[in-house]
Amino acid sequence: DAGVIQSPRHEVTEMGQEVTLRCKPISGHDYLFWYRQTMMRGLELLIYFNNNVPIDDSGMPEDRFSAKMPNASFSTLKIQPSEPRDSAVYFCASSLRAGGKYEQYFGPGTRLTVT
Amino acid sequence: GDSVTQMEGPVTLSEEAFLTINCTYTATGYPSLFWYVQYPGEGLQLLLKATKADDKGSNKGFEATYRKETTSFHLEKGSVQVSDSAVYFCALSQANAGGTSYGKLTFGQGTILTVHP
Repeated sequence: DAGVIQSPRHEVTEMGQEVTLRCKPISGHDYLFWYRQTMMRGLELLIYFNNNVPIDDSGMPEDRFSAKMPNASFSTLKIQPSEPRDSAVYFCASSLRAGGKYEQYFGPGTRLTVT
Repeated sequence: GDSVTQMEGPVTLSEEAFLTINCTYTATGYPSLFWYVQYPGEGLQLLLKATKADDKGSNKGFEATYRKETTSFHLEKGSVQVSDSAVYFCALSQANAGGTSYGKLTFGQGTILTVHP
C-alpha cells in the first residue's frame, strides 16, 4: 500500500489567500484525522471523520478552517483567509477500527508557511 | 478530560546509553496506550502499543509496560543508537471494555531525543 498521501508537501502563500490541503487515506480505512503541529502548541487534533462523517471538530481553531470528506478516498482541509499564525505542519492520518488492533497511520505532512 | 504528560526534553545521550522517557496519563475507563516516533521531516509512526493493564509493548529494542496502578507507560531502551534520534510521543485512545477503540488519540507534548556517537 502507498500509505497516506498528502499534497502539497510544502505550501507558501500570502496572508489572506485561500489554502487547500489534500489527503488520500489508506484504502479501506474508516477513520481520517487532521492534525496541526507547531513548536508552541505541539500536536493538535483539528477534526476527525468516521465513514466520511465529521465526528469531532472541536479542535478546529475558528471559522476560517473547514474540512470535508466527500468520499472514502479523499479529504480536504481549507483555510480561508490564511494568516501568518496558521503556519505549521499539517498531518493527515487514517485508521481502521478493528477490535483493539487499531492504529493511526500518518502521512508525511504539509508544511504551510503564510507570509 | 483525558490527558497525557511526558517528561520534559530535550534528552541528549551518548550511543549505547540507557534510555527512559517518562509518560503518565489521566483517563477514565479502559484506555489503550501508544508510543509514536517522528523522525526529522516525516510523519509519526507507531512504535509500540499496549491495550490493557500489565501488557508490555515492544519493538526495535524499545519497551513500555502499561501500569494502571501508577497510570504510567514509560518508554525504555537498553542501548540507544544515533539512528534513534527523533521525537517520541506518548498517546492514549479511549476504548470500551472489549478493547475496541473510539478512534481519537490524545497525545503528549513530545520528547526530543538526540543521541551522539
